[in-house]
Formats: sequence, C-alpha cells, structure tokens
Amino acid sequence: KAGVTQTPRYLIKTRGQQVTLSCSPISGHRSVSWYQQTPGQGLQFLFEYFSETQRNKGNFPGRFSGRQFSNSRSEMNVSTLELGDSALYLCASSSNPGIQTNTEAFFGQGTRLTVV
Amino acid sequence: GNSVTQMEGPVTLSEEAFLTINCTYTATGYPSLFWYVQYPGEGLQLLLKATKADDKGSNKGFEATYRKETTSFHLEKGSVQVSDSAVYFCAPLSGNTPLVFGKGTRLSVIA
Repeated sequence: KAGVTQTPRYLIKTRGQQVTLSCSPISGHRSVSWYQQTPGQGLQFLFEYFSETQRNKGNFPGRFSGRQFSNSRSEMNVSTLELGDSALYLCASSSNPGIQTNTEAFFGQGTRLTVV
Repeated sequence: GNSVTQMEGPVTLSEEAFLTINCTYTATGYPSLFWYVQYPGEGLQLLLKATKADDKGSNKGFEATYRKETTSFHLEKGSVQVSDSAVYFCAPLSGNTPLVFGKGTRLSVIA
C-alpha cells in the first residue's frame, strides 16, 4: 500500500511569488490535513479537507488556501510569498477522523519550501 | 479547540537512561490521545495511542497512560537507545476537531 506522497520535496521561491504544493493520500483515505512546521512555532495546523470540503481551518492568513479533488488528492497554495513562509509543509491523510477519533493519521515526508 | 502543553527540549540522555516526556492537554469531549514521532528528514509517524481513561498505549518499549483526571498523557521509556533520537509530539483528537500538536520535544540520545 503506497504511503502519502508529497511533491515536490524541495522548493525555492522568491518573495512575492506564489507556490502550489501537492499531496496524494493513501488510497481510500478521504481526509487530508496540512501542517506548517517551523523551528520557532512547531507544527501548526493549516486546514483539513474531507470529501472535497474544507472541514477545519487553522489560524493562517488568506494567502494560504487549499483544495481537494474528487480523487482525494489535495493541493495547497500560498500566494505573495514572504520570507516567514519558509518551512516544512506536511500533509497527513486518514480515513475519517471526524467520526472515529481513534483514527491514525499518516504523514508524507513533506515539502521543504525556502523563500529567498 | 484542542490544545497541548508539552515539555520543550532539547532533552539529552545517555543510552539506557530513563525517559519521561510530559504532556498535558485540553480537549472538547472525550478525546483519543496520540504520541507521534518524527525521525530526521521524515514526516510524523504514530508511536502509540490510547482511546479511553486508564488505557495504556505501548510500542517499541515506549508507554503512555491516559490520565483523564489530570488530563495528561506522559511518554516513558525505561532504557533509551541512540536510535530513539527524534522529535516527539503529543496530540489529542476528538469529534470533528483537527489533530493538533504540541511544539514537540527533541530527544538526543548519546552513546
């Protein structure tokens, strides 16, 4: 069974540009969550999608957006990049944590975004 | 929403030392509790979990007991190895709330 796949693994962008990150969940998983990991703030929740609908949203500015497709693949977009957006972006998939609270989340290896 | 307070590291131990990483949480409803581990260059992976009060989760020599009365889920291991060097995250999960993590505790084990 293939794991969670995130692409690209590494990315360097210039301040002001936009970026799109991709996440393919484990087959059969309908929930995809995104996290930002930085040394200072730790692991912060961005948003969660379930069956193409945003179910939860973290406390991030509107420059951060996401979507989920009918095959459960998800993308997140960051517009007008700032230096502080440099981080490891992690994606996690699970079957349906909203109903089954003992559901394990499976993480990808992340996309390392560097903004210069 | 849910939140976690976790002891911040880094924690540096000698091989075979005893490990405790403290975790307390606030959560809506009756959460399940998880410990995830992140090895260098990797994403997070589930280490252990507990789904109700007084349950003990265990895996790879690590243990944690769900203490509802103190809202705690402390991680312990009797004898750490160099290969246990990683970042450890505690997380509650309840209802339709997202899985949120503490800041993580970096553990370094030296031979």
